[in-house]
Amino acid sequence: QSALTQPPSASGSPGQSVTISCTGTSSDVGGYNYVSWYQQHPGKAPKLMIYEVGKRPSGVPDRFSGSKSGNTASLTVSGLQAEDEADYYCSSYAGSNNYVFGTGTKVTVL
Amino acid sequence: QLQLQESGPGLVKPSETLSLTCAVSGGSISSTTSFWGWIRQPPGKGLEWIGTVYYSGSAYYNPSLKSRVTMSVDTSKNQFSLKLISVTATDTAMYYCARVRGLAAPASGAFDVWGQGTLVTVSS
Repeated sequence: QSALTQPPSASGSPGQSVTISCTGTSSDVGGYNYVSWYQQHPGKAPKLMIYEVGKRPSGVPDRFSGSKSGNTASLTVSGLQAEDEADYYCSSYAGSNNYVFGTGTKVTVL
Repeated sequence: QLQLQESGPGLVKPSETLSLTCAVSGGSISSTTSFWGWIRQPPGKGLEWIGTVYYSGSAYYNPSLKSRVTMSVDTSKNQFSLKLISVTATDTAMYYCARVRGLAAPASGAFDVWGQGTLVTVSS
């Protein structure tokens, strides 16, 4: 299984929105509604931000939203704040209790 | 709340075996709605799923690592383990353990609780 494809970087000014794509195949992203997104600050463990494509865990701001179309999932961060600057990774269930992560996107708040 | 803590040697020699343990506290490893996973991250690079194990001992591995990986569970100690044989410098990484929600559970398929990670360096 190959890593899901994400753009290496994305950026936006405070208050703006940024959208990150995550492209897989019909065997992972396109085949299941089990896409999740993780935020990772330098030196820290990843933190779950979105699960099951578009659901937010308790405590995650509603500025974070997720969606999916075909083999591509997306994470949108609205109203960018300085603390949103981090690396973001998508992950998808790939069948038979297998999982695959995305290549990661560094989000910069200008 | 549920917490995970990795432990094991920080330095392993090439060709030897990497062994790590993840202690689970604040919850039972025998939960029927949870799987337990290992994920690694080489310095400056992205996340890679290594494998997932259920409390019964059923394990599922990344095809690219399958020939070298073994995961197991010790329910009496509420912990699970990773063994990776024949390591090389490319296995140098931060290793994380995490809970993975089962597909019939809330937050299905998500790694919702993570350990802080442990850095393993492969070097002679």
